[in-house]
Order: sequence, then structure tokens, then C-alpha cells
Amino acid sequence: GQQVMQIPQYQHVQEGEDFTTYCNSSTTLSNIQWYKQRPGGHPVFLIQLVKSGEVKKQKRLTFQFGEAKKNSSLHITATQTTDVGTYFCAGRNAGNMLTFGGGTRLMVKP
Amino acid sequence: GAVVSQHPSWVICKSGTSVKIECRSLDFQATTMFWYRQFPKQSLMLMATSNEGSKATYEQGVEKDKFLINHASLTLSTLTVTSAHPEDSSFYICSARDLQGANEKLFFGSGTQLSVL
Repeated sequence: GQQVMQIPQYQHVQEGEDFTTYCNSSTTLSNIQWYKQRPGGHPVFLIQLVKSGEVKKQKRLTFQFGEAKKNSSLHITATQTTDVGTYFCAGRNAGNMLTFGGGTRLMVKP
Repeated sequence: GAVVSQHPSWVICKSGTSVKIECRSLDFQATTMFWYRQFPKQSLMLMATSNEGSKATYEQGVEKDKFLINHASLTLSTLTVTSAHPEDSSFYICSARDLQGANEKLFFGSGTQLSVL
């Protein structure tokens, strides 16, 4: 079945440093979504990417969908303590199955 | 790593019937599980928080009598859609919270696509 791998599992950064999490699918995706979960909370939808090579930005967050539509990345520029949480990617295949990655937990030292 | 198993992946049922969806944590005990619903091209919507041994906490606007949640053990939570109607057709997904010491991690099931005819 479809597998979605997300790396790294954990990342400690100093406030102000950049952060990137990567998502790789075993199959071609029709779209990919990114979620953020704050400690003690539930995942909150951030964005959806649909087109091959698509790049979208939300303030300090940059989301990219690979040309082959099998990988994606989330990059945060100049992290802040408010960025703390776990970031999940979720890939949807042609059969409409949504598979979540394992998540990357971001910890930011002030 | 920890795995959450959700079954069935797909279910098609007639209007008026009930459908049960299972969410199992396979290698850890989950005192808390979450149930979500997702419409096409939309985000996950939290429906309820399921706590082992107690009543589930439902989000505003979610009918507790319509969506019955049972969390009878530390590894199993079920969501039953009672008297399903076409408007209940959606993608339902569960997640389980794994408390590893001071580190909390959330694992998701693979989801269930419900189609009510």
C-alpha cells in the first residue's frame, strides 16, 4: 500500500534558525496537505498542494510539491517559539486514500 | 514505530443502516484517540475526542447520538455512524495519542471512506 515517510522525526533549533521537514511518498500523489499540531492540540490544516512543482508561501512558511508529485517539503525561515509543534504531511493518491506521514516534531529554543 | 490501524478503508452502505469504524493502536496504549471528518478538498475537522473508560467529548455541531464513540480499551476506539444518510458520506480518520514519557506523539489511521447510497 501507499507509504508516506517524513523526516526528520524530531528537530531542535535555536530561535531564528531555519527548519525544513521532508515528505516522501512511495506512490504518485494527486495532492498533498500539511498540518500543524500544537502540543496538546489536534492537527490544524495549513495548506494543500496540487500541481507538480508547486510552491506556496505563508509568511515564513514555504511549501513545495515535487515535480514527480511524490515528495514535498515545508521550510520555515527564522523560526520562532510559536512555531513549536508537530508538522504532518498527508498525501492523497488517485484512489482518494489519504496517508499521513509520521510527523516532524519541532522544538525551538528561545 | 507505532502504528494505528483503521478499518474498514472503504464502506458503501444503504441509507438508514449503521456503520462501525474501528481504530486500533497496535503497539502502544492510547488513552486518548481523536476522530476526524474530511470533505473533499477540505481540511480535517475534529469530531470528537475519545477517552478510554469515559464518555467522548464532542465538538460543537457534532451530534453525539448520530456518531457513537466507544473507547472500551486502551487499544481500541470505535465510531458508529447510526442511521447513515447520504450527507454522512465523507472521509473519516482517527488518530491515537502516544505518551512516551515527556514526548507526546500523534499517530493517524489510514482513514475510512464512507459512501451512503
